Amino acid sequence: ETGVTQTPRHLVMGMTNKKSLKCEQHLGHNAMYWYKQSAKKPLELMFVYSLEERVENNSVPSRFSPECPNSSHLFLHLHTLQPEDSALYLCASRPPGGTEAFFGQGTRLTVV
Amino acid sequence: TQLLEQSPQFLSIQEGENLTVYCNSSSVFSSLQWYRQEPGEGPVLLVTVVTGGEVKKLKRLTFQFGDARKDSSLHITAAQTGDTGLYLCAGAPGYALNFGKGTSLLVTP
Repeated sequence: ETGVTQTPRHLVMGMTNKKSLKCEQHLGHNAMYWYKQSAKKPLELMFVYSLEERVENNSVPSRFSPECPNSSHLFLHLHTLQPEDSALYLCASRPPGGTEAFFGQGTRLTVV
Repeated sequence: TQLLEQSPQFLSIQEGENLTVYCNSSSVFSSLQWYRQEPGEGPVLLVTVVTGGEVKKLKRLTFQFGDARKDSSLHITAAQTGDTGLYLCAGAPGYALNFGKGTSLLVTP
């Protein structure tokens, strides 16, 4: 248990659906991240938020839309996804001045 | 992007054997981290190495940071089935934490 909670753990959605992934931490961390993990690929950094400001966006398609309403919550809004977007989506947070990342358990997303 | 290359990609051994996995880069890192990930779960931090030449031990796991801070190794002594998992190294150039592809380790009885 790392203190980072992701919901839902599993999600199956059609290509025309709209859904959201949620991440929550009450560890006092001020940086939060979304990563995508596909088979045979390294963890791909999608978005970075520091103090609720987006500081990195790694050329992610606009069908993925992040939201960070406060330092404890991070969302990833999904719409009109493609089957190749099926993957494990991981949220992580880092403490102020720290280098280590604390990961949630991930959301296993399947797009049909 | 500072790339991290991990080797081997896959490793299957029997309980009791020793093994070493590697993490290499052409870039210098201020620190490197090792994580272990089990199927269906997020990665969990094992150790952070900071000083060139540093050696850290975590029970049967020994981590080393290269003198030039471009590479690291993880040695497991007398592997157990509970060591099975994906071992990831990561470095942090700024806000981002970049990961290697990982070494997938399977330890069989």
